[in-house]
Amino acid sequence: QVQLVQSGSELRKPGASVKVSCKASGYIFNTKSLVWVRQVPGQGPECMGWINANTGDTTHAQGFTGRFVFSLDASVSTAYLQINNLEPGDTGVYYCAREILRFDYWGQGTLITVSS
Amino acid sequence: QSALSQPASVSGSPGQSITISCSGSSSDVGGYKYVSWYQQHPGNAPTLMIYEVTSRPSGISNRFSGSKSGNTASLTISGLQAEDEAYYYCSSYSSTTNTAIFGGGTKLTVL
Repeated sequence: QVQLVQSGSELRKPGASVKVSCKASGYIFNTKSLVWVRQVPGQGPECMGWINANTGDTTHAQGFTGRFVFSLDASVSTAYLQINNLEPGDTGVYYCAREILRFDYWGQGTLITVSS
Repeated sequence: QSALSQPASVSGSPGQSITISCSGSSSDVGGYKYVSWYQQHPGNAPTLMIYEVTSRPSGISNRFSGSKSGNTASLTISGLQAEDEAYYYCSSYSSTTNTAIFGGGTKLTVL
């Protein structure tokens, strides 16, 4: 069965960086794009953008450019989200999800807390 | 403020039917077939319930159905059950942002 398993919660200080992993299994990795979604507690999800698992091409949504880096290692069926120069407003739960515009499978989420 | 508008809360008794609306514009809900609905229980990841307006993924109960009229999409849940109590989010492709956008969510309470 399809599974997306993410890395664990992280606590960082403002200005630091963090890298979240999303390991896929149960399907052919390079046939589906992987999307990154942020959810701030009490709010709806926000699509941050996605990475084409075949080509590595990335698309970033407005508000998620510059500091937000999507990458992947197809050899281990894993996508990564790196956030640089963290700000307190980056605090939230970050999800990876499969397939643009359908989001048919989701990782369990990674809580990132940015606090001094 | 979320790009798609949903009621903050709806409620119903077991066995009843409820409908959750999702209002957008011709640049998103009204213009494309890419409307989805997600169920989220507190502390869990969202689960896809409806995609492409009316389609149900394998394993999702046929008590869940989707529709669209103009710039408003709807999710109907029939035969309400206690386990349906959750938050529900709609999403749509948006040509304005060239990404998916979400609603602010609706809390469903089963009385």
